[in-house]
Amino acid sequence: AQSVTQLDSHVSVSEGTPVLLRCNYSSSYSPSLFWYVQHPNKGLQLLLKYTSAATLVKGINGFEAEFKKSETSFHLTKPSAHMSDAAEYFCVVSDLSNTDKLIFGTGTRLQVFP
Amino acid sequence: DGGITQSPKYLFRKEGQNVTLSCEQNLNHDAMYWYRQDPGQGLRLIYYSQIVNDFQKGDIAEGYSVSREKKESFPLTVTSAQKNPTAFYLCASSIGTAEQYFGPGTRLTVT
Repeated sequence: AQSVTQLDSHVSVSEGTPVLLRCNYSSSYSPSLFWYVQHPNKGLQLLLKYTSAATLVKGINGFEAEFKKSETSFHLTKPSAHMSDAAEYFCVVSDLSNTDKLIFGTGTRLQVFP
Repeated sequence: DGGITQSPKYLFRKEGQNVTLSCEQNLNHDAMYWYRQDPGQGLRLIYYSQIVNDFQKGDIAEGYSVSREKKESFPLTVTSAQKNPTAFYLCASSIGTAEQYFGPGTRLTVT
């Protein structure tokens, strides 16, 4: 069965420093992977997605993620954090038994300090 | 302006009452979904519909019901049988296996 593990429940960074949010996945096949962002009391917004094309995926707001099959990882990075990046981030994998379904990680809350 | 709308944003109900949450999309998406979000947890799938007049149970369907009479609309009813209904409810839609687009959510509080 597919699953996704977000290794940190909270990450704190200073404004202008790099961001790293870690995600490992479990899948028997090459999965589709996504990162979503959620600001407080809002819906989820797609940041980026991997669907077996280029392993380095660029998303919105300067975020990118690298698919590493050997490490079963899909970590999210950004070179320089902005105050507006403070939010909850979800790593998501598609359910290969039913590709209309998504499996969500438990989320990582990113805090950005001035 | 295309998107998904959910209403109301906040909803309060007394225990024992059924309540219906609205979800409407004008993206012409075939598939629609309802999720529940609790603090410190990821999203859990309640029900989903891939086509009008058809829907399937997700992982936590007990105590909930849905209908899909129109492509644009996928209302969720939280029944009195749902033991812990207080949560943040999110509706989403997609075209087939593509990424899902989410509405702004409804926060339901039952006392």
